[in-house]
Amino acid sequence: QKEVEQNSGPLSVPEGAIASLNCTYSDRGSQSFFWYRQYSGKSPELIMSIYSNGDKEDGRFTAQLNKASQYVSLLIRDSQPSDSATYLCAAPTDSWGKFQFGAGTQVVVTP
Amino acid sequence: DTGVSQNPRHKITKRGQNVTFRCDPISEHNRLYWYRQTLGQGPEFLTYFQNEAQLEKSRLLSDRFSAERPKGSFSTLEIQRTEQGDSAMYLCASSTDRVGKNIQYFGAGTRLSVL
Repeated sequence: QKEVEQNSGPLSVPEGAIASLNCTYSDRGSQSFFWYRQYSGKSPELIMSIYSNGDKEDGRFTAQLNKASQYVSLLIRDSQPSDSATYLCAAPTDSWGKFQFGAGTQVVVTP
Repeated sequence: DTGVSQNPRHKITKRGQNVTFRCDPISEHNRLYWYRQTLGQGPEFLTYFQNEAQLEKSRLLSDRFSAERPKGSFSTLEIQRTEQGDSAMYLCASSTDRVGKNIQYFGAGTRLSVL
């Protein structure tokens, strides 16, 4: 059973709109979560990290964590064509930081 | 700091050949991770190191795969007797072990094509 689940998409978003991405996880012991952006053919690039319940904002990105419901989300405001990429949700599965990744959600921002 | 460096960037090999990839982590990072990623999937854990100690090797990894991190610096991943199913992007990441600072930073990856 996968421990981190994401909708694969693609999620089509008009330019300037808000993209909303969701991620659920099964390990209640997970304490931290990470969102990575991956352009086609490139390696993952960290977008956001979140460690506690609630919202965390960084520029146009907002991460939301709800540990009781075991989900973490990412909002991208004022979406730009350059935001078109696959977004990966990741959570450590042990104390050494071994990550479990979701399959990723592909976002397509249309002009 | 130049970030995580991986070499080569691309490797094309014939089935049955051995290949070796190298990863140089961010200099102050004592943890190093190897992942494999195929099209449409997220990175899949292979193995990781704390300094020179290999902590775990994925049970999905056959005995044809081996990794080392001598002296706790760079790491190598070797695949023996490659198979077409080994074709993938091999990603290396590094992090510190400081609490709250365990963000993993990825290298550009090595894309392996087995013909």
